[in-house]
Amino acid sequence: NAGVTQTPKFQVLKTGQSMTLQCAQDMNHEYMSWYRQDPGMGLRLIHYSVGAGITDQGEVPNGYNVSRSTTEDFPLRLLSAAPSQTSVYFCASRPKRDRFQPQHFGDGTRLSIL
Amino acid sequence: SQELEQSPQSLIVQEGKNLTINCTSSKTLYGLYWYKQKYGEGLIFLMMLQKGGEEKSHEKITAKLDEKKQQSSLHITASQPSHAGIYLCGADTRGNTGKLIFGQGTTLQVKP
Repeated sequence: NAGVTQTPKFQVLKTGQSMTLQCAQDMNHEYMSWYRQDPGMGLRLIHYSVGAGITDQGEVPNGYNVSRSTTEDFPLRLLSAAPSQTSVYFCASRPKRDRFQPQHFGDGTRLSIL
Repeated sequence: SQELEQSPQSLIVQEGKNLTINCTSSKTLYGLYWYKQKYGEGLIFLMMLQKGGEEKSHEKITAKLDEKKQQSSLHITASQPSHAGIYLCGADTRGNTGKLIFGQGTTLQVKP
């Protein structure tokens, strides 16, 4: 199993450009989430989804859009990149069954906005 | 302010020494997760604690959950250079929603 796969691993954008960070999981997990990691701030939740067709906002959703058309994929879209969105982005998934299950994380996408 | 506060934020220890990292929540904990991250890599799941008083160990790492204090501790015995990295605690403070909040992380350096 590949687990959670994020692409690309690195990306440099200019202010105002748009792009989509891809996230795919092959574990049939219902729950998927996007986090950003900034120095000294841990991981902050951007958006999450409890299943196909269902998404909701996290702590820092502004400037990002998501959709969940399939169980496997959960792309994160930056509509107009800003330098404040320079960060490392992590996608995670976990099964819905059982109350307590750890999240499985991808290796991250390192994004720089110039 | 953060819902989950980790302390210390950074730690430098001599190889062989013991150390403790704390994670304190301002809200009720429904589950507490510990992850480790090596620089430039993803998060590796270490342990999960569900119930007050629960204690789990894996190799030289022990985690405990004090439900009354809304606090968890991660203790490393006889630290090794392989223990170096960033340790993050995560918690679901709103029931089984799949949403985790994280502490700001503790960076551990182990000097040989």
